[in-house]
Amino acid sequence: GAVVSQHPSRVICKSGTSVKIECRSLDFQATTMFWYRQFPKQSLMLMATSNEGSKATYEQGVEKDKFLINHASLTLSTLTVTSAHPEDSSFYICSARDQVEEYRYTDTQYFGPGTRLTVL
Amino acid sequence: GQQVMQIPQYQHVQEGEDFTTYCNSSTTLSNIQWYKQRPGGHPVFLIQLVKSGEVKKQKRLTFQFGEAKKNSSLHITATQTTDVGTYFCAGRWSGTYKYIFGTGTRLKVLA
Repeated sequence: GAVVSQHPSRVICKSGTSVKIECRSLDFQATTMFWYRQFPKQSLMLMATSNEGSKATYEQGVEKDKFLINHASLTLSTLTVTSAHPEDSSFYICSARDQVEEYRYTDTQYFGPGTRLTVL
Repeated sequence: GQQVMQIPQYQHVQEGEDFTTYCNSSTTLSNIQWYKQRPGGHPVFLIQLVKSGEVKKQKRLTFQFGEAKKNSSLHITATQTTDVGTYFCAGRWSGTYKYIFGTGTRLKVLA
């Protein structure tokens, strides 16, 4: 089945530093990837839609200068949390849509295992 | 903005009892998906519903999409301890390719 990986799985950083999280589709190509944020025991909040070769589309209230998204290839999207602060501590999850399935009836999102960010 | 409400927030059941979670949108959805997230894990896709009034079954799980495509339900028959987790619905509206997740229902099954 379709596999999405995320790296790193956990990261602890100091306040003010930047952290990059990678999302890779391992066995399929993804023109569209999504970045979510999940607080403990809460739902997934869509942050932005990452489009290969173009600028990401951010949800209302998400600072694009704070959360930089780059989707440089059909298998890789990166989320960089710039100048991280303790309130940015959260579980970040990416998902990817199979390029082939985009043209089919099935429209499944394949989720990565998530990255737990802790900002001290 | 577009949002999907899900109830109940929590549900504790005795093993063998049935369980149902409901999703509601104030506007018509294009399609809806259901996911299961185990504690400490990531969401895993269960199913997608597209047609008005659609009913799909996966073993003990039954998924329904309302006639107006504004609500959906997931029913588990005779719950087992392996059913523990949080169940999310995720709705998509016409004209957009993004999904908005419901608030989730956390299921605990008591042995």
